[in-house]
Amino acid sequence: QKEVEQNSGPLSVPEGAIASLNCTYSDRGSQSFFWYRQYSGKSPELIMFIYSNGDKEDGRFTAQLNKASQYVSLLIRDSQPSDSATYLCAVRTSGGSYIPTFGRGTSLIVHP
Amino acid sequence: KAGVTQTPRYLIKTRGQQVTLSCSPISGHRSVSWYQQTPGQGLQFLFEYFSETQRNKGNFPGRFSGRQFSNSRSEMNVSTLELGDSALYLCASSLGLRDSSYEQYFGPGTRLTVT
Repeated sequence: QKEVEQNSGPLSVPEGAIASLNCTYSDRGSQSFFWYRQYSGKSPELIMFIYSNGDKEDGRFTAQLNKASQYVSLLIRDSQPSDSATYLCAVRTSGGSYIPTFGRGTSLIVHP
Repeated sequence: KAGVTQTPRYLIKTRGQQVTLSCSPISGHRSVSWYQQTPGQGLQFLFEYFSETQRNKGNFPGRFSGRQFSNSRSEMNVSTLELGDSALYLCASSLGLRDSSYEQYFGPGTRLTVT
């Protein structure tokens, strides 16, 4: 059973701080890793994806992947109240099913 | 490029009825996946269609079915609705190619309420 684990939170950070969201996965064959943001009552929006070990930066977002330790994280710099949402981690393996496995999500609250 | 569209956006049905939801993927995307999202269970995979064929299936009863047309548009059907089927139904579009990274893009969802 492939598992993707996330702390449900809520993670509360002050405006302007760095928010760090973590995700661990059980399948060592995992190849593609995705972060989605979901506002309450809305659908998930793809914000980052990463395939190789290391960091990938896009604006205020940085995805970090460590395959040896089987975790992927998302850093949000200069957090804004508009970043308050649930962040879903999704992981896809290289073979078999094409479908990513989703974590349950971490709720992030950025307070002014 | 237009995003994923889903219709209808909201539905209210009665127990025992059936419902059909529709999804149009991003142009050029051949894979359409369907998910059910509830507060208690999170995002659960229903099935995936690629080039008009069901390629993957989740652990849902046979009351949940789907199909895909030659233009990649997909429909999902739920028969004999139960109260527990109340959920947000999401469609996700992807290129679906074997060697691709498989990024999925979600539609706005259909909010189904069963009374």
